[in-house]
Order: sequence, then C-alpha cells, then structure tokens
Amino acid sequence: QQQVRQSPQSLTVWEGETAILNCSYEDSTFNYFPWYQQFPGEGPALLISIRSVSDKKEDGRFTIFFNKREKKLSLHITDSQPGDSATYFCAAISNTGYQNFYFGKGTSLTVIP
Amino acid sequence: GPKVLQIPSHQIIDMGQMVTLNCDPVSNHLYFYWYKQILGQQMEFLVNFYNGKVMEKSKLFKDQFSVERPDGSYFTLKIQPTALEDSAVYFCASSFTRLVFFGKGTRLTVV
Repeated sequence: QQQVRQSPQSLTVWEGETAILNCSYEDSTFNYFPWYQQFPGEGPALLISIRSVSDKKEDGRFTIFFNKREKKLSLHITDSQPGDSATYFCAAISNTGYQNFYFGKGTSLTVIP
Repeated sequence: GPKVLQIPSHQIIDMGQMVTLNCDPVSNHLYFYWYKQILGQQMEFLVNFYNGKVMEKSKLFKDQFSVERPDGSYFTLKIQPTALEDSAVYFCASSFTRLVFFGKGTRLTVV
C-alpha cells in the first residue's frame, strides 16, 4: 500500500531555519493531500491540507507546494521552532466511488534551539 | 473537534493470549482504519474497513488479525494468538469524507 512516499525519514534543522519535507505519490486519482503532525504519545492530528486544483496552500509558517505533473508535494516550515519537533505525515485521498486514504511513513523533524 | 477514542490506552498481555483493541469512532463516520507504529517510528498501514467489510489490508495484517464493527458499535482489532512482535502502538482512524481523524493509540505490550 506504499502509494505515498516521504523523504527524508528524519530531518534536523536549527531554530529559525526552513524545514522542507517531501512527499510523492503514485495514483493520479488522488485529489486531496492532508499533512498530519504527531507529537510523542499522541495520535496524528491534521495540520494543513491542499486540493489538487491548487499549487500552494499557506497557513502561518506552514506552506504546501504541490506539483501535479510530477506528483510531488512538499511541506515548508519557515522560522522553525523547537515546538515544531514532531513527526509529519503526508497523506493522499481519492474519491473514485470508494474513498481511498493512503498515509506516508512519516518524517521525524527535530528543531535544535 | 471530533474525537476518536481508543480503549484502553495501554494493555499488557501474555504471548499467545487473545487481545481486542477497541475504537470508538466519530459517530457518523463510514470509513475505519488501523495502523501500527513501533517505538514512535514509521506508521504502518494494517487495514481499512467500509460498509462492514475489509476493503484493503497490508502484509502486516496477519491471519491472526481480524476486525469488525458489530451493530455500529466499537470498531475492534482482535489479535489471536498474540506474538512478541505484535508489541506496538495501534492507532485507529475514521472518516466520513476527506477529513480523517486519529485516536491517541493503544500501546500493546506482549510479554
């Protein structure tokens, strides 16, 4: 079920830097891409999402860039803070009668003060 | 927001015994999922469930695993018999449309 791939598996940045998390997918019927944030001991929580008709979605310091032709997207976290240290999951959803939901394996982000 | 509840939060069980992990999904949701996560690492898909049926399952969903949602109550994951490698945190998720909500997980320890 590895329809969504994430890289890198882990990432370390300094406070204030921009963290870039990458995601790619296989199925061209995917039309909605949520990103989830997970802190230790918690379940994944929806952070930000984008529809395939858009190429960019911004929410504060978090921005998704989407390239439909290449089937790639990335999450940019600007001015990274230690509190952003978490695991980030990219997901993809298609609606072809039955809703398919595919979850990437995650990128573990560490922000060093 | 909507909450997916997982009961219990932690369970310890002897190897070879049966365990049932319970998930109370958001009330009007139609799609249900189980994921397995070991030591805070990668989230591994196990199974998804819709309209009373397993729609898709991974290689990790061994023959010892089963899921059901009897009478629209809890969505359960049963493991019978358990093995040491089943020790992990199991996350339940549910959705109605594109918004998928996750529970906080059940930490299963097989000893």
